[in-house]
Formats: sequence, C-alpha cells, structure tokens
Amino acid sequence: DGGITQSPKYLFRKEGQNVTLSCEQNLNHDAMYWYRQDPGQGLRLIYYSQIVNDFQKGDIAEGYSVSREKKESFPLTVTSAQKNPTAFYLCASSIYPAGGPHEQFFGPGTRLTVL
Amino acid sequence: GESVGLHLPTLSVQEGDNSIINCAYSNSASDYFIWYKQESGKGPQFIIDIRSNMDKRQGQRVTVLLNKTVKHLSLQIAATQPGDSAVYFCAENTGDSWGKLQFGAGTQVVVTP
Repeated sequence: DGGITQSPKYLFRKEGQNVTLSCEQNLNHDAMYWYRQDPGQGLRLIYYSQIVNDFQKGDIAEGYSVSREKKESFPLTVTSAQKNPTAFYLCASSIYPAGGPHEQFFGPGTRLTVL
Repeated sequence: GESVGLHLPTLSVQEGDNSIINCAYSNSASDYFIWYKQESGKGPQFIIDIRSNMDKRQGQRVTVLLNKTVKHLSLQIAATQPGDSAVYFCAENTGDSWGKLQFGAGTQVVVTP
C-alpha cells in the first residue's frame, strides 16, 4: 500500500518548545515538500527538497527547519522562533520534476496546536 | 479571483447539476496547472492537471479548461454528487524547475439534495 504518512495526526506543544513532524513516503519519489495551511486559506510552501541531503527554503521558512537524510523521509521541525505555529501541516511528494512539474501527492496532515 | 481570509468563496450546487469552479492566475509564465479537492481535516487529493500547451482536458466526470489569453482556469464537475462537497484548490507552477506550486485560496463547494 503505497503512499505518504504523517505522524502524529494531532500535536500539542507548549510555547517555547521545538517539535518535529514526521513525513514518510514509499512512492520512490525524489521531491518532497512541506506546506502550512491556515483556516480558510490555501497552502503556503515552507521547505522543499529534490534530492537527499539537499533542500531549499520556500515562501515562509522562518522558524522552521528540515533534514533529508533519506529519500523516504523529510521531517519538519517547528522551532520556538516560529511566532504563530498553530496550523495544519501538510507534506507532499512528487517524481523528480526534471521534465517539468508533476502532481504532488499529499499526506493526511498534522494539526499542530500551541497551548 | 479568489478571496483570502477566513471566508472562502462558496458555490452551492444542487445534486445532479453541473458545477463550475473558477480560478484566475496572474503569472503568464505559468506552464502547469492542477486542481485538488480537500475534505475537512484531510490532505488534498489530486483531481486533474493540464499543461499550458493544452486548453482542455477531461477526466472522469471532470473537465479542466485553460484560457491563457485571460489567464483563467476552470474545473467543471458533471452531475455533482454529495461526495463532491469539499474545498477545491487550483495551483500553478510558475515555470521554475523545482516543481513548486502556488496555491489559490480555494472555493467551498456545497452540494444540496
């Protein structure tokens, strides 16, 4: 059963704490992406990665960090520097876009709430 | 266009009717467009995509139309069903080589019996 998994589904954090969101895919996709979604809004790109050990900042990278040590995994850390971290976080993957962009497949999301 | 904020544009459709969801884009360099459906609390699901060398593409019960002259994209859903109730997003790739997508704010579709 191929797909993208994100864990946990719900996450609560106290102010001042870092927290890491998991994203794993078994689709053999090269590219992976992290998005943030706020109520009633579209998705905004946080970070993306085309290959292992390489990643790029998206539109709203401040207060976030990522790593890409394995092709299957792209964890996102929400640091205490992120001023308004409460949001729905979505991970996506796609085949390597060398021949042009392709559809991105999304995980089920993690809802992060800062208490 | 699409509004930004807590109140999404809403399209109310009677079950069995056809739905048309519109999306305006601003970047004339955009070469790839995609529609997603998102149900409450879930990740977006791919519906259909289209490249800029086409102006129409059909899937199962869905058709995407691309008008590059006026930078407009639309999604038509035939014989709308209750299961089609969701938020629909259009997204575009602005011609970069990274495959990045820019998403619109979305349209809420409500199917009434």
